[in-house]
Amino acid sequence: QLQLLESGPGLVKPSETLSLTCSVSGGSLSSRNYYWGWVRQPPGQGLEWIGSVYYSGSAHYTPTLKSRVTISVDTSKNQFSLKLTSVTAADTAIYYCARLNYPTSSGEHFQHWGQGSLVTVS
Amino acid sequence: QSVLTQPPSVSGAPGQRVTISCTGSSSNIGTGYDVHWYQQLPGTAPKLLIYANNNRPSGVPDRFSGSKSGTSASLAITGLRAEDEADYYCQSYDSSLSRYVFGTGTTITVL
Repeated sequence: QLQLLESGPGLVKPSETLSLTCSVSGGSLSSRNYYWGWVRQPPGQGLEWIGSVYYSGSAHYTPTLKSRVTISVDTSKNQFSLKLTSVTAADTAIYYCARLNYPTSSGEHFQHWGQGSLVTVS
Repeated sequence: QSVLTQPPSVSGAPGQRVTISCTGSSSNIGTGYDVHWYQQLPGTAPKLLIYANNNRPSGVPDRFSGSKSGTSASLAITGLRAEDEADYYCQSYDSSLSRYVFGTGTTITVL
């Protein structure tokens, strides 16, 4: 059974870099059938896609965060990571990692989600 | 700022049928991108409920169904149960924004 688990600091200072890791178990990050991504949810608000990455390392990001975001993979550890630079209070959110289906012409969805990790910028 | 609009709240009595609308535009739902639905129980992560407009992942009861027409989509829940109280989000892709987009979210309350 696929499980995703986010880990990282729960508190980050303004202007510093937010770093989170998603550990994948019960499945292989090296599978060619899926993409892996990050979604965040500010407290009491809706969901926002941050970016997604393929096992090869090819990544794409939401345009609004593209200048500050890097998503990378470590297939040897079956993990992928999120780095968000120059954070502000507006980046305070629950950060979820997720697995997406392989891209199709009609779009992708988030099949499995981690439990989420609350990151507070203060 | 969400580009997929949902009603903030919907309520119904146990056993009733309720629907949630998801209104998009010609750059997302209307251009042929699939709509997917997620259920988020209080204090938990979202869970995939419906994918590709009207498909249920294994384990999702057939009380949940989805449909899509034009620039909108809908999620229907029949035989409403207390355990269905949650937030529900639609999701698609927007070609103008070049990103995945989520709906504004709808809270289902069972009376």
